[in-house]
Amino acid sequence: KNQVEQSPQSLIILEGKNCTLQCNYTVSPFSNLRWYKQDTGRGPVSLTIMTFSENTKSNGRYTATLDADTKQSSLHITASQLSDSASYICVVRLNAGKSTFGDGTTLTVKP
Amino acid sequence: DTGVSQDPRHKITKRGQNVTFRCDPISEHNRLYWYRQTLGQGPEFLTYFQNEAQLEKSRLLSDRFSAERPKGSFSTLEIQRTEQGDSAMYLCASSSGYSGSYEQYFGPGTRLTVT
Repeated sequence: KNQVEQSPQSLIILEGKNCTLQCNYTVSPFSNLRWYKQDTGRGPVSLTIMTFSENTKSNGRYTATLDADTKQSSLHITASQLSDSASYICVVRLNAGKSTFGDGTTLTVKP
Repeated sequence: DTGVSQDPRHKITKRGQNVTFRCDPISEHNRLYWYRQTLGQGPEFLTYFQNEAQLEKSRLLSDRFSAERPKGSFSTLEIQRTEQGDSAMYLCASSSGYSGSYEQYFGPGTRLTVT
């Protein structure tokens, strides 16, 4: 069982719609949580990074939330665009330095 | 320096051959990581360097795998006697241990196909 679980595994939405991706983690002690966007055949690109004391962080149309008590994070995408089609990966970094990656949510935005 | 670079971007090799990949990190970053990623999965940690010292190796890194970072700058990952199960995307990332957040910046990856 992965210590960082993401849901849904895949998602299809229409252009212009909003969506929310989920990340639940069990690893601890927690240092920070990051969301990455990975286009097909490319390396991941950082979207947001949050420490345990931060509840929300925005980057343009991307807003990440974090509840360190329930060990849940979400990534909300507003007014989706075709270019948002990608895999979104949640990564939890422990205080000891090790990072644990989720398997990602594959988002497809259709016109 | 605009980011992490990896070479080659694609490699097709026959089973049993050796392959070597190169990663050039962001110049001021002292930490360098190698990951392997298969389709539909997140990146799996392979190994990590701080400057030229290899500080951690995953159990995924069998004896056929070796990584070096001889001068604390670029790194190479060699796979000997490749197997079909080695087919994957090999990602390199770098970070600055001095920034506090240790945010990792990824390269574009090397796609390995073993036939």
